[in-house]
Amino acid sequence: QLQLQESGPGLVKPSETLSLTCTLSGGSITSGDYFWGWIRQPPGKGLEWVGSLFYTGTSYYNPSLKTRVTSSVDTSKNQFSLKLSSVTAADTAVYFCVRLVFRGGNYFDPWGPGIQVTVSS
Amino acid sequence: QSALTQPRSVSGSPGQSVTISCTGTSSDVGTYNFVSWYQQHPGKAPKLMIYDVSERPSGVPHRFSGSKSGHTASLTISGLQAEDEAEYYCCSYAGSYTWVFGGGTKVTVL
Repeated sequence: QLQLQESGPGLVKPSETLSLTCTLSGGSITSGDYFWGWIRQPPGKGLEWVGSLFYTGTSYYNPSLKTRVTSSVDTSKNQFSLKLSSVTAADTAVYFCVRLVFRGGNYFDPWGPGIQVTVSS
Repeated sequence: QSALTQPRSVSGSPGQSVTISCTGTSSDVGTYNFVSWYQQHPGKAPKLMIYDVSERPSGVPHRFSGSKSGHTASLTISGLQAEDEAEYYCCSYAGSYTWVFGGGTKVTVL
């Protein structure tokens, strides 16, 4: 059964770049049936789709974050990563990595447990 | 890309039914039958409850059902149970490989 696990710094300074990695176990990131993605949740607020990517590197981002987000895949490590530049306090959130099913359905499942990232000096 | 609109909260007694609405636009809910619903308990990751408007993943109780009419999707919980108390989020495909979530609805079991 596929499991996802986020990792990265829990504290990032304003104006710096947030970097997170999601590691897969129990499944391959090179499966052509899925996208992989990031969803975040600011404290006490709702969910926000950040972006999704295919194992080839093709990626799509939330228009509101597009100028600051990049993502990549490392097939040798069965991982994908997120970078968010020029962060501010508004980027403080729990970040979840997810698998995006887009064939035979359109949904996010499973989810990683999430990682709290705080932007503060 | 604006968030889908959900009521802040709904409540019901055990055994009753509650329905959560999720209103979008012609750019998302109104065009695509790709609405999914997620249940989130405090401090936990969201869990898929419904996908493609009305499909229920294996393991999700039959008391959870979904539907859509026009620009509004709905999640109904029939026979409310104590463990159903949680936050619920809808999500819709919005075209061009983008997705949008609702603001979330707190379900309280009285």
